[in-house]
Amino acid sequence: DTAVSQTPKYLVTQMGNDKSIKCEQNLGHDTMYWYKQDSKKFLKIMFSYNNKELIINETVPNRFSPKSPDKAHLNLHINSLELGDSAVYFCASSQEGQDLYYGYTFGSGTRLTVV
Amino acid sequence: AQSVAQPEDQVNVAEGNPLTVKCTYSVSGNPYLFWYVQYPNRGLQFLLKYITGDNLVKGSYGFEAEFNKSQTSFHLKKPSALVSDSALYFCAVRRSSNTGKLIFGQGTTLQVKP
Repeated sequence: DTAVSQTPKYLVTQMGNDKSIKCEQNLGHDTMYWYKQDSKKFLKIMFSYNNKELIINETVPNRFSPKSPDKAHLNLHINSLELGDSAVYFCASSQEGQDLYYGYTFGSGTRLTVV
Repeated sequence: AQSVAQPEDQVNVAEGNPLTVKCTYSVSGNPYLFWYVQYPNRGLQFLLKYITGDNLVKGSYGFEAEFNKSQTSFHLKKPSALVSDSALYFCAVRRSSNTGKLIFGQGTTLQVKP
């Protein structure tokens, strides 16, 4: 069983479209994250949710909206896609109080290409 | 603000030789430091951490890292590199008082040649 699974793995879409990326974790963790990895491999945190509550919201355009229906899911919806949104988006999870010892568990990423 | 710097985009070593991947950090207060590895088309995997205590920490796959407070460094090391160690390595830092927010360096590609 995949611990943190993201769908889709690849997403190619046109500028201006709206798309969603889904993330699910079966580890029982209470905290989930979205990271963006750009073409230079630089990883930047976007959002974090703890028990469905937003706790980290970095400087991200309003076109990006995370949604956490329950603590096992954290979805990312992107409106009006732009070329600069092309990147690999990683979902991750951790358990508060244990992340120092076990780290984060990352999904395998969603490669978004905007054309 | 917290930040992490990995000064080398790429490190090349021959199999069997020792390797070092460098990392320096900037954070107010006590740092929590981490190394992660990313294999091609995969997510990041946790390698090791420094929270407190012994400055030399050991992690997965024979890797270790040395915390140096005066130099604000946390270099990743391995005594004998394997070709299978070739991957992208990320150093990360978190402030002890800042729950959850892990800041990553820009990554260093390690290439181990046979």
